Amino acid sequence: DAGVIQSPRHEVTEMGQEVTLRCKPISGHNSLFWYRQTMMRGLELLIYFNNNVPIDDSGMPEDRFSAKMPNASFSTLKIQPSEPRDSAVYFCASSDSNSGNTIYFGEGSWLTVV
Amino acid sequence: AQKITQTQPGMFVQEKEAVTLDCTYDTSDPSYGLFWYKQPSSGEMIFLIYQGSYDQQNATEGRYSLNFQKARKSANLVISASQLGDSAMYFCAMTSTGGSYIPTFGRGTSLIVHP
Repeated sequence: DAGVIQSPRHEVTEMGQEVTLRCKPISGHNSLFWYRQTMMRGLELLIYFNNNVPIDDSGMPEDRFSAKMPNASFSTLKIQPSEPRDSAVYFCASSDSNSGNTIYFGEGSWLTVV
Repeated sequence: AQKITQTQPGMFVQEKEAVTLDCTYDTSDPSYGLFWYKQPSSGEMIFLIYQGSYDQQNATEGRYSLNFQKARKSANLVISASQLGDSAMYFCAMTSTGGSYIPTFGRGTSLIVHP
């Protein structure tokens, strides 16, 4: 079975540019999470979707960040405009809240903003 | 609110020996799940093992076992017969199974396996 698929795996962009990270959750999973990981702050939850609806976006740093889930098989995390402090690994994860709640992660998107 | 505490920033173990990584948690939810993940230097987060709060027996997955002590609110990971490939960051996490499904993660423990 395919796991959580993220793209791009690596992105280097200039400050001020728009960045879009993409995620395809595991088929059948009804919960989707976006996390950010840095050395300083560890693993931070940015936003949580359940059945495509944003349930908790309290972790989204500021208005420059936005996330969408137009359907059960696709989500995006957008940063506009990007700043150097946004450099981090962004993970997408999914789970089935009706069955055990085990969270499966994608391989991560490594973002560097210069 | 849920909280996960991993008090060991780093651990060292000799190859082929067993090692225990500590995890304590705090929650007011009666129903919850506990997880361990491995993050090698390549960066991916790999699910290792799951323990439900109502499970009577400790979870085991190959060389991994979860020492679940509910009264003490601890969920330590035991790795038996350590291998060099076990060197990685290990994260303990929990989620409520009766309400909010938002998982909470600990800060992680770095494990280094010596040859």
